[in-house]
Amino acid sequence: NAGVMQNPRHLVRRRGQEARLRCSPMKGHSHVYWYRQLPEEGLKFMVYLQKENIIDESGMPKERFSAEFPKEGPSILRIQQVVRGDSAAYFCASSPQGVNEKLFFGSGTQLSVL
Amino acid sequence: SQKIEQNSEALNIQEGKTATLTCNYTNYSPAYLQWYRQDPGRGPVFLLLIRENEKEKRKERLKVTFDTTLKQSLFHITASQPADSATYLCALDGENSNSGYALNFGKGTSLLVTP
Repeated sequence: NAGVMQNPRHLVRRRGQEARLRCSPMKGHSHVYWYRQLPEEGLKFMVYLQKENIIDESGMPKERFSAEFPKEGPSILRIQQVVRGDSAAYFCASSPQGVNEKLFFGSGTQLSVL
Repeated sequence: SQKIEQNSEALNIQEGKTATLTCNYTNYSPAYLQWYRQDPGRGPVFLLLIRENEKEKRKERLKVTFDTTLKQSLFHITASQPADSATYLCALDGENSNSGYALNFGKGTSLLVTP
């Protein structure tokens, strides 16, 4: 009974490159959330998706960031033309039914931009 | 503006004592409040959820209170153990949250339990 799986665990990119972060939710969960955590900062909500739909992207930066959760396969958080300020831990969480529920988090992807 | 405030200073206590962590919030009307534990380099792990119509909730050595008048939740760990050392996060949602759908988290309080 695997939990939320995120990969890669660590990702190093140079400025201007693209970063792709993957998240496979727990079995039976169709709701996925992405959060970003900076050192000494709290978890900041980015986006909430259900299968093939973006429900709430109010926490996503307007440019360079996008997310998807296709019918088949993992959810992807994509950051284009990364900058040093994108360096952070990115966490994915899932839940079976959406709002008003506890979230199950993955171990995160640590993105470092050189 | 909306805020979720937790003690930024680490809480150091001796093994066997009760640890009490505080979560205060402003400009939220949460339907519920959650507590999570986060260890270094790991994702948060859910501990307890308490709803607005509940005053107190317990789970083994954990106890949470929720006072919607004071806009405060207290999180207690009784008979604390060194293994309880971690960062504890408060999270809440409600119709006034930044996102109508997602949990919003405080920065967390670091707890260190020494033998």
